[in-house]
Amino acid sequence: KQEVTQIPAALSVPEGENLVLNCSFTDSAIYNLQWFRQDPGKGLTSLLLIQSSQREQTSGRLNASLDKSSGRSTLYIAASQPGDSATYLCAVREEYGNKLVFGAGTILRVKS
Amino acid sequence: GAGVSQTPSNKVTEKGKYVELRCDPISGHTALYWYRQSLGQGPEFLIYFQGTGAADDSGLPNDRFFAVRPEGSVSTLKIQRTERGDSAVYLCASSLFGTGRWETQYFGPGTRLLVL
Repeated sequence: KQEVTQIPAALSVPEGENLVLNCSFTDSAIYNLQWFRQDPGKGLTSLLLIQSSQREQTSGRLNASLDKSSGRSTLYIAASQPGDSATYLCAVREEYGNKLVFGAGTILRVKS
Repeated sequence: GAGVSQTPSNKVTEKGKYVELRCDPISGHTALYWYRQSLGQGPEFLIYFQGTGAADDSGLPNDRFFAVRPEGSVSTLKIQRTERGDSAVYLCASSLFGTGRWETQYFGPGTRLLVL
């Protein structure tokens, strides 16, 4: 059974700092991996999607990497801003199926 | 609307009652998903529809939970004899085809269910 773990569970940083969120998964037979953002009381917003054959994806200040063989992904946020404060969720889609398997998330607070 | 919508946004019920949660997917999306998110956890898969049929219902926790999508658009998640442990945020998502390496799921804001 696929299990997704995110470290740290919570992170508080001053504005402007670069930071890394970690995600690991137990079964490397994945189709793709996504990073989502969740704001309180709201749904999930997809940030980046990495195919199993790719190593990384970039969007603005966000960069996500994927090492499928070791079951790891990182989300790098450059020059963090208070507006980045949210819960960040990592999810994998397995090769044979359509559902997403999520980690518990990292709660990020960026202090101004 | 442009996104996935869910109603009601909040639902409070008593233990043992029946509830229905509604999801309106993005127009034209054939795939629809239900997830459940407990406090401090990530969403957990419940059921996936491709068109009108449930293609994967392996995440439904027991036979008190049932979902339908009779016309391939709106879906209703039905919970019978609610228990306090059913309290959670129920999220609905839709995607264009359900397949495709680049396809992402678009999530609604969720229904927060509280069973007293």
